[in-house]
Order: sequence, then structure tokens, then C-alpha cells
Amino acid sequence: KAGVTQTPRYLIKTRGQQVTLSCSPISGHRSVSWYQQTPGQGLQFLFEYFSETQRNKGNFPGRFSGRQFSNSRSEMNVSTLELGDSALYLCASSLEAYFSFEQYFGPGTRLTVT
Amino acid sequence: AQTVTQSQPEMSVQEAETVTLSCTYDTSENNYYLFWYKQPPSRQMILVIRQEAYKQQNATENRFSVNFQKAAKSFSLKISDSQLGDTAMYFCAYLGGSEKLVFGKGTKLTVNP
Repeated sequence: KAGVTQTPRYLIKTRGQQVTLSCSPISGHRSVSWYQQTPGQGLQFLFEYFSETQRNKGNFPGRFSGRQFSNSRSEMNVSTLELGDSALYLCASSLEAYFSFEQYFGPGTRLTVT
Repeated sequence: AQTVTQSQPEMSVQEAETVTLSCTYDTSENNYYLFWYKQPPSRQMILVIRQEAYKQQNATENRFSVNFQKAAKSFSLKISDSQLGDTAMYFCAYLGGSEKLVFGKGTKLTVNP
């Protein structure tokens, strides 16, 4: 069974631009979560989607948004990029939106904002 | 809000030896899950081991075991017979009623030949 895939793997953007990252979960998984990883703040939860609905949201500004499609694929969008948005963005999928189910992580998208 | 603290930013161990990574957490909840995740240099995060707070028995997965002390809010990871492939960042994580994973800052483990 294929793992979680994320595209693109690397991205360079300029301050003020917007970016869209994509995540394809493991087949059959209905929950997708997003995390931001930076050297300073570590790993932080962004949001979780289940059945095309945002179930949960972390403490990030409204510039960070996401959505989930009927095939469970998810996208996250960051508008008006800031230098501090440079990070590794990880996506994870799980069977259901309950914490008894294991999360499987993708390889991440490395975003650099210049 | 829950917090997770990993007090050892870096550790090293000789191949075949045993190493213990520390993790403490702060919570007022009674029911929760604790995890250890491994992130090798290739960056794909994988689950090493999971502990349900209501279970008194410590979880074990092959060479990996935990020492879960609920009253002390401590959750350490022991790696036995360390292998070169164990070299990675290790993250301790908490999952409670908010259903948001809270991670520690991580411990960079290097296994030396």
C-alpha cells in the first residue's frame, strides 16, 4: 500500500506570495492532519480534516487555511507569505478522526520564503 | 494547555548499547495517549511506540520499551541493542481531549559504530 505523499517536496517563494501544498493520504484513510516544523518552534499542529470538514485547528493566523476533497486528498494554503513561514510542512493521515488510530506521516514539503 | 518537555537536546550511544531518552509532560487530564516518534535524516516521521494512559503496563515494541510513570508524568523511551539505523530525531508527543498532538522539542540521537 502506498504511503502518504506530499507535493511538491521543495518550494521557494517570495514574501507576500501565496502557496498551496498538497497531501495524498494512504488509501482508505479519511483523516488528514497538517503540522509545521521549524527549528525554533518545533512541531506544531496546524489543522485536521475529516470527511471534507475541518475538525480541529491549531493556533495559527487566518493566512493558513486548508481543505479536503471527497477522495480525502488535502491541500493547505498560506497567503501573504512571511519569512517566518519557512518550514517543513508535514501531513499525516489516519483511518478515522479518533485518536486511537495511528497517524502516518508523509515526507514533508520544505518551504523557503525569501 | 498541555506541554511536553524533552530535556536532552542531543545524545549519543555506542552500537549495541542501551540508551534512555527522557520525556515529561504536564496535563490535568486523566485519559490521554503518549507517543514516541522517530524522524530519521530522510525526514519521514514514523511511530515508534504508543502508550495509553489507562494502561499500567509499559508498552514494548521489539528493542523499544517505555517507562511510563503516570503520577510523575514521565514517559521515557529505552532503546536496547542500539543500531546505526536508530540514528534520528526522537519526538515525544501527547494526545488528549483536544485531539491535537503536542510534541516535545526532540532529542537528536546518534548511534556510533
